[in-house]
Amino acid sequence: RKEVEQDPGPFNVPEGATVAFNCTYSNSASQSFFWYRQDCRKEPKLLMSVYSSGNEDGRFTAQLNRASQYISLLIRDSKLSDSATYLCVVNSDRGSTLGRLYFGRGTQLTVWP
Amino acid sequence: DVKVTQSSRYLVKRTGEKVFLECVQDMDHENMFWYRQDPGLGLRLIYFSYDVKMKEKGDIPEGYSVSREKKERFSLILESASTNQTSMYLCASRERGGGTYEQYFGPGTRLTVT
Repeated sequence: RKEVEQDPGPFNVPEGATVAFNCTYSNSASQSFFWYRQDCRKEPKLLMSVYSSGNEDGRFTAQLNRASQYISLLIRDSKLSDSATYLCVVNSDRGSTLGRLYFGRGTQLTVWP
Repeated sequence: DVKVTQSSRYLVKRTGEKVFLECVQDMDHENMFWYRQDPGLGLRLIYFSYDVKMKEKGDIPEGYSVSREKKERFSLILESASTNQTSMYLCASRERGGGTYEQYFGPGTRLTVT
């Protein structure tokens, strides 16, 4: 079973739409969670960390449900510039793999005018 | 400004050649990683290192080796390149430990093996 599973999409939405991505993780001991963004032909970059109480950064809201081992990302008022692949990421806290991140395969978003 | 740099953006090699991919970070990070990224398969970890001269296999180490002689430099070696190693290779670094430390990626090396 993969450490992190997410719907690959693609999601195609008009400007101004609200879109939500979900992912699940398999290691119940995981402590740190993130969303990374990867633009076409570029490297992944941190979008935001995900905190237990949920957190918001402008139009982006991240939620964590530990009981269901589920992470979500909500994007409100989508912009053309939000078009990218969004990677769900979980930190492993096991032994010698301390500090290793596990990446989902990514969800592709295209925002059209 | 934090930086992870990779020696080449594009590389073309022949089957059977020995290939070296170099990565340097200037953030004094303990952890360094090599991934390959292929369409539909996402990022797959090849090897990582949590200290100088230390290394651990990732999920797909076969056909690769690594070297970490200095803290800032992590090299990926393809002993005998094969066409199925044609891919985008991404290096990354991160502070050791859990928590919310960000992982920083280099710009990637697109390797083509013919």
